[in-house]
Order: sequence, then structure tokens, then C-alpha cells
Amino acid sequence: GAGVSQSPSNKVTEKGKDVELRCDPISGHTALYWYRQRLGQGLEFLIYFQGNSAPDKSGLPSDRFSAERTGESVSTLTIQRTQQEDSAVYLCASSFLQGVGFFGPGTRLTVL
Amino acid sequence: KQEVTQIPAALSVPEGENLVLNCSFTDSAIYNLQWFRQDPGKGLTSLLLIQSSQREQTSGRLNASLDKSSGRSTLYIAASQPGDSATYLCAVRRQGGSEKLVFGKGTKLTVNP
Repeated sequence: GAGVSQSPSNKVTEKGKDVELRCDPISGHTALYWYRQRLGQGLEFLIYFQGNSAPDKSGLPSDRFSAERTGESVSTLTIQRTQQEDSAVYLCASSFLQGVGFFGPGTRLTVL
Repeated sequence: KQEVTQIPAALSVPEGENLVLNCSFTDSAIYNLQWFRQDPGKGLTSLLLIQSSQREQTSGRLNASLDKSSGRSTLYIAASQPGDSATYLCAVRRQGGSEKLVFGKGTKLTVNP
């Protein structure tokens, strides 16, 4: 497809379990971002990848959160030992250099 | 630390009305400012991007202005339609290296037929 895709669209998990969220950026986009949107809150920056440069991890809220990206392709966001406070919509976006960001539909994570 | 505020948090208008959404930011050293539309279950759609050297951008019935020195942007929607109902988000990118966008909490717009 032409847009950013994310999977799964919805994920329900039990507290303490690990989850993995996937983002497929637009082909050719060098930059990839992860954001989190908790209920009633604005989007929070989590992590940014640009090409082969070291990622900007300054937004990751704890060491339970990690993300990987291979080259300029797929990225996975992993949350270990999930907590109820991790419940949110996780949004991925990609862009070419510093251009307009295109967002995916998000993954809604619910931690019971 | 950059903070972005959007006022009002929610707005309800009758169809056909012109309206203005407001966005303010605390640090004027921005690279650009972007307005997005968020529909439930559909992620964000970029509407307009204004570079720091620009004063405004227009797309159809939408016009966004930027006053960097005062830390303000407005999104003007002309002749509103029920299909404009969505949450509108404002985001700024800092000047000089940071790639992350700092978002406001959004304005939820309802246009009533």
C-alpha cells in the first residue's frame, strides 16, 4: 500500500506480558517515529530513527520500552512486562528527511 | 521545554460557519509548525505545514497562519461542513537538530448539519 501501516490494530494483553508492535513505513522514507497517545492526552514522542544514524531514544518512558529498525524498513516497538499505564494508542509515522510526516492508523494497546 | 497549547479543547458549530482554532507554543525557536486532523481509528492526516520563515499556508477551505515571535498559529476553516468534524492537532518541530514533533492536545471540532 501507499501509506504507513501498523499491526496489530488492536492488542489486549495481561499485565506483565510482553508485546511487540509493528510499523511498515512508506517506501523510501528515511525517517521513522513512534508516538504514544494516552486517553485525553496529546501525542508523546517516544523514539526517532533516521537512516543509519543512532536513534533518538529520548522519549522512551522506561527501560521496558525498546524499538528497532532495520535500515529504512520495518520497525518494531517492544514493551516488556506491560503495565496498565502503558495502555494507549501507539502511532508510527514516516517522512523523507524533515518533510511532512505521514502517520499510520495506530495500534490500540489495552493492558488489563 | 517546548509546550504546545490548543484552545478551545472542544468546539461545536453549525454547518456553514467560519471558525478559527488556536495554537500557542512557548519556545519560538521552531523549524516548522504542522496542523493535523485526527479521525477515530484512522491516525493523523497532515493538513498544512508552515516553515518558520513563512507567515501562512492555504489549502482549499483551510488557512493556517504563523506568528513565530508571539508563539501563535491559527487554523481558519471556511464554510465548515459536517465532514470537517474531527480532532485538530497542532505540532511544532524545534529548530536546530531535534526531529521530534511536540503536539498540543488538540481541539475536537463538531460541525452540526
